[in-house]
Amino acid sequence: DVKVTQSSRYLVKRTGEKVFLECVQDMDHENMFWYRQDPGLGLRLIYFSYDVKMKEKGDIPEGYSVSREKKERFSLILESASTNQTSMYLCASSKGQGGMNTEAFFGQGTRLTVV
Amino acid sequence: AQKVTQAQTEISVVEKEDVTLDCVYETRDTTYYLFWYKQPPSGELVFLIRRNSFDEQNEISGRYSWNFQKSTSSFNFTITASQVVDSAVYFCALSENTNAGKSTFGDGTTLTVKP
Repeated sequence: DVKVTQSSRYLVKRTGEKVFLECVQDMDHENMFWYRQDPGLGLRLIYFSYDVKMKEKGDIPEGYSVSREKKERFSLILESASTNQTSMYLCASSKGQGGMNTEAFFGQGTRLTVV
Repeated sequence: AQKVTQAQTEISVVEKEDVTLDCVYETRDTTYYLFWYKQPPSGELVFLIRRNSFDEQNEISGRYSWNFQKSTSSFNFTITASQVVDSAVYFCALSENTNAGKSTFGDGTTLTVKP
């Protein structure tokens, strides 16, 4: 059974902390993505990567960075967490060189609360 | 820029009713891909269907059917004889056809099926 696994289901962090959200996929997919989901705003793309050590900014990259040192792992980093980063974070992966024009597989999400 | 509009924020039906979820998209690309995903209460988005811009054939899969009309830029999703297990948030998404293509998601439609 194919899987995208996010390291935490729920996370509570303090303002100003550096936060790491980890995502691992076991499908040997080239592409990986980080989205945040907020009520009434749907899913918004933060960053994506179509190869190891490659990264591209999505629609809302401010306040975030990413790391992809290995093909199966894509980390989202909040350099200095703020309350407006309280959200549901979704990791996804897809096959193929670049693009999300094949079906994407999603993790179960990490609900981050910044206090 | 791409845009996906799901005008229906919430829909409530009684079991066995048919229900149609609307999706209207905007893109300047001639080649693109459309998707529907289901997000049950567990949080993990599940892929339902992918359609490329050159394939306007409607598709039926069990109780699910999709109507793609390029002339109106719509990709609507119908559930026939709805069931309680269909209760979820449904997302329509549009992906460009480039090497580093990204998906744009609609805001989602929350479907509640009451027994």
